[in-house]
Amino acid sequence: QKEVEQNSGPLSVPEGAIASLNCTYSDRVSQSFFWYRQYSGKSPELIMSIYSNGDKEDGRFTAQLNKASQYVSLLIRDSQPSDSATYLCAVLFQGAQKLVFGQGTRLTINP
Amino acid sequence: KAGVTQTPRYLIKTRGQQVTLSCSPISGHRSVSWYQQTPGQGLQFLFEYFSETQRNKGNFPGRFSGRQFSNSRSEMNVSTLELGDSALYLCASSPTVTDTQYFGPGTRLTVL
Repeated sequence: QKEVEQNSGPLSVPEGAIASLNCTYSDRVSQSFFWYRQYSGKSPELIMSIYSNGDKEDGRFTAQLNKASQYVSLLIRDSQPSDSATYLCAVLFQGAQKLVFGQGTRLTINP
Repeated sequence: KAGVTQTPRYLIKTRGQQVTLSCSPISGHRSVSWYQQTPGQGLQFLFEYFSETQRNKGNFPGRFSGRQFSNSRSEMNVSTLELGDSALYLCASSPTVTDTQYFGPGTRLTVL
């Protein structure tokens, strides 16, 4: 089992719809979770961090965390073509104190 | 605050040569991590430094090495370059090892 696993993608969503990106992780005691967005040819940029179970909203983005299920997701409402990018899930593994990234999900928003 | 800076931004080398890449973290950040990203691949962790000490190392051959200076600036070195080393090399900094990482723009290395 991979330490951090994301939908393999690519994911294609029509403009204005909700895009749902999922991530599972293997470390049961992880406490810090991050979503990064990476445009083609650019470096990753932080979108959101989440530390507690439940939902965290920031504009059109909502991160959802369920530690019991070892699952974290990112919802993008009212998807725009500018949201087309690769989304990386990252989990801070408590024991080793290292940040582990998933392979990323490529998202395309179709006008 | 200025962001993470990496130099050079682009580099072309030939097989067998060596290369040194530099990373200046955000002011006050003491942790620096390095990643390699190739087309179609996710981020591959190279190593992490905190207060001049290497804390973690990824699964890369010994040709890849790094160091961190007392001002938290970091360098990574790749010796005896191979074609497969062509990649985007990313540096990320954070205040401590358990804080959010912020990425620099990357150095794109091409090995011919």
